[in-house]
Amino acid sequence: QSALTQPASVSGSPGQSITISCTGASSHFADYNYVSWYQQHPGKAPKLIIYDFSNRPSGVSSRFSGSRSGSTASLTISGLQAEDEADYYCSSYTTSTAPWVFGGGTKLTVL
Amino acid sequence: QVQLAQSGAEVKKPGTSVKVSCKASGGTFATYALSWVRQAPGQGLEWIGGIIPDLGPPNYAQEFQGRVTIVADESTHTAYMELTSLRSDDTAVYYCAAIWLQVIYWGQGTPVTVSS
Repeated sequence: QSALTQPASVSGSPGQSITISCTGASSHFADYNYVSWYQQHPGKAPKLIIYDFSNRPSGVSSRFSGSRSGSTASLTISGLQAEDEADYYCSSYTTSTAPWVFGGGTKLTVL
Repeated sequence: QVQLAQSGAEVKKPGTSVKVSCKASGGTFATYALSWVRQAPGQGLEWIGGIIPDLGPPNYAQEFQGRVTIVADESTHTAYMELTSLRSDDTAVYYCAAIWLQVIYWGQGTPVTVSS
């Protein structure tokens, strides 16, 4: 059982928006703990799409956005495209050597 | 920008060890928060351990204590993860990842297959 809880699957049609939640203990969202989101296509390494709850690395589409409310982080993908079909993972981490924790992953299906 | 290049695929027998390398370029290696993460076939991501080269001893996940060693060589900008007493359920893709200036960079992954 993962320390962070994500829905197993979500789906949406092209052009729609979807949101994936990531819920954890308060400790995972305490000071100096951050949440990141990854997109993973089959057979590929995870790709960072959001870090520090809501920041996008350079080169990541603005269709991806992250937010936080209490002990829940959320990833929203707007204007769904076929290429967004992938697994999505959230992770709580620090910039020290403290353990990272992951959600179990959410499979996004674009209908 | 940080780039992480990992060593190639490994096939090992149960009971043996594997050592995976991760060579970094870009950024300031000594201040990376380097972690190793694995993903078994069809499964999620699992944190193994981490190290900050400039700051001393690594930290390991409880599940791997006693079987894993993570070191960082500042002279070659290379991190290593050695896992001993391999079992079939250690079959996975092993990733190194580095946090630098808040951004998280990942290596391409090293498949490790444990089979008799």
